[in-house]
Amino acid sequence: NAGVMQNPRHLVRRRGQEARLRCSPMKGHSHVYWYRQLPEEGLKFMVYLQKENIIDESGMPKERFSAEFPKEGPSILRIQQVVRGDSAAYFCASPGTSGSLYNEQFFGPGTRLTVL
Amino acid sequence: GESVGLHLPTLSVQEGDNSIINCAYSNSASDYFIWYKQESGKGPQFIIDIRSNMDKRQGQRVTVLLNKTVKHLSLQIAATQPGDSAVYFCAENTSGTYKYIFGTGTRLKVLA
Repeated sequence: NAGVMQNPRHLVRRRGQEARLRCSPMKGHSHVYWYRQLPEEGLKFMVYLQKENIIDESGMPKERFSAEFPKEGPSILRIQQVVRGDSAAYFCASPGTSGSLYNEQFFGPGTRLTVL
Repeated sequence: GESVGLHLPTLSVQEGDNSIINCAYSNSASDYFIWYKQESGKGPQFIIDIRSNMDKRQGQRVTVLLNKTVKHLSLQIAATQPGDSAVYFCAENTSGTYKYIFGTGTRLKVLA
């Protein structure tokens, strides 16, 4: 998972605040996945993005959550008006080769969001 | 299949023994499977993958077995070492889709 960067590593927010999580994929890669992991659970797919395009957002909650991957800069997962249930680890992953299926995903270290 | 809100099952093995971690996947249309290892506080790390046209694939000290009839996947770790202690997840994918579905996970504890 070297090369996929996420920040911040830990984020504390109060209920009602906004959380912004950033992910930079492996160098030269233009696709990212976002996943959420609750304690003691597996990862749940949220969204798959290409630069300037959302490819699959079937795992995203309908409200308060949004994701983008601009032409320049990192991918952003934005959670508005956070609630305690949003507390989780959020991981992004970079496909082994840009956009192709049947490739391993390289995961970042994750951002651990705590909502007070 | 989709993970549920249960405590992770735990497998305890003696150092040097072989470990077998099982996974039941949910979608009969899934044709690509990956095993990941996740250490505490870290992101998942790729271990080995297999496509549905294969029954078995071997890596370094690891073997993945696929039984499509019963939708079952297993990961075998030979000569388990303390560094193998982690949570192991299987993930499934269907060709033509980008979504990966992760299993619940199994915690492997290696006893000295």
